[in-house]
Amino acid sequence: KQEVTQIPAALSVPEGENLVLNCSFTDSAIYNLQWFRQDPGKGLTSLLLIQSSQREQTSGRLNASLDKSSGRSTLYIAASQPGDSATYLCALLTGANNLFFGTGTRLTVIP
Amino acid sequence: SAVISQKPSRDICQRGTSLTIQCQVDSQVTMMFWYRQQPGQSLTLIATANQGSEATYESGFVIDKFPISRPNLTFSTLTVSNMSPEDSSIYLCSVYRTGKNEKLFFGSGTQLSVL
Repeated sequence: KQEVTQIPAALSVPEGENLVLNCSFTDSAIYNLQWFRQDPGKGLTSLLLIQSSQREQTSGRLNASLDKSSGRSTLYIAASQPGDSATYLCALLTGANNLFFGTGTRLTVIP
Repeated sequence: SAVISQKPSRDICQRGTSLTIQCQVDSQVTMMFWYRQQPGQSLTLIATANQGSEATYESGFVIDKFPISRPNLTFSTLTVSNMSPEDSSIYLCSVYRTGKNEKLFFGSGTQLSVL
């Protein structure tokens, strides 16, 4: 069974710092991987999606990478802002109905 | 991108009552998913709702407790029945858009508190 782990569970950084969030998975047979942001008490907002054939995707200050051989994905956030404070979740799709979520990293950016 | 309207956004309910959550999608989708997120936890899939057939429930979830309707390709409801404080969670609907930009989209969530 696919297991998805996100470390650290919580992270606090000063404003302006660059940071990396990690997502590890045990089965490399994935279809795609998606990073989400979740604000407290709210739904999930899709940030980036990487197909299994891709190595990375970029959107603004965000860059997500995928290394299937090592079972890792990273989400890089450049020049962090207080508005980036949220919980970040990675989710792996192994098929239309097989979705595995990571445990999440709660990010706090301190002004 | 798919736009999903989910309501209510939050509710406070009494033990033993039921709450129905609605999700409306701006385009036709084959599958809709219902998730629960308990405090401090990641998401857990409750069931998959296909139009015209019974919903498929995951282990630990049963139809009597979480009846689901899927009357057409743009709408679904999840009812949390006979609620107890343990049902206090965020409930989220989701759709899986296939094609060129295959992606999951989520509703804004329903934060449920049961007293």
